[in-house]
Amino acid sequence: GAVVSQHPSRVICKSGTSVKIECRSLDFQATTMFWYRQFPKQSLMLMATSNEGSKATYEQGVEKDKFLINHASLTLSTLTVTSAHPEDSSFYICSARVGGAATQYFGPGTRLLVL
Amino acid sequence: AQKITQTQPGMFVQEKEAVTLDCTYDTSDPSYGLFWYKQPSSGEMIFLIYQGSYDQQNATEGRYSLNFQKARKSANLVISASQLGDSAMYFCAMREETSGSRLTFGEGTQLTVNP
Repeated sequence: GAVVSQHPSRVICKSGTSVKIECRSLDFQATTMFWYRQFPKQSLMLMATSNEGSKATYEQGVEKDKFLINHASLTLSTLTVTSAHPEDSSFYICSARVGGAATQYFGPGTRLLVL
Repeated sequence: AQKITQTQPGMFVQEKEAVTLDCTYDTSDPSYGLFWYKQPSSGEMIFLIYQGSYDQQNATEGRYSLNFQKARKSANLVISASQLGDSAMYFCAMREETSGSRLTFGEGTQLTVNP
């Protein structure tokens, strides 16, 4: 199957700082990437859909100014959590879709802890 | 209303036995896709199996099969010959034609395989 990587896998930061998370499709070109958030023992919640070369589409209730998404190339999307606060601590996981295929392939996720 | 319902928060199975994880869905779209993902404690989401709404046969992938009953709107995952490494959280997800490429996830089922 298609391989998606995420970096970093784990990050601890101070409140008020910004954190950038990278999502890369390693062996395919992803026209669409997705960003999810997952709290402990809960399901995945879609934050935004990112299309290469265009603005991301955010889900209702997700602050676009706080969670900046950039999809600059067919293999890279980034999520920047700006002015992070402890309540932003969570597991962030990205996925990528090959062209018009139905299946999304997920990265290994990033655990963010904001102190 | 919940679009994806997984009624089993936790399931236990003996090694080498088969287990069925339940998933029911709710949609009025004629075209949709159903997915199962496995999430081990490491956090990565591993794609297991896909069933399209127009597929005539139940999907199978190795030890995984999807028991698709369209009239009952159920898409149960069957794992045959359970292995200790199958212990993980399992998520059922749906993609509806009208929602584009977005996936909606169920709450998950924690499967524990006992030796």
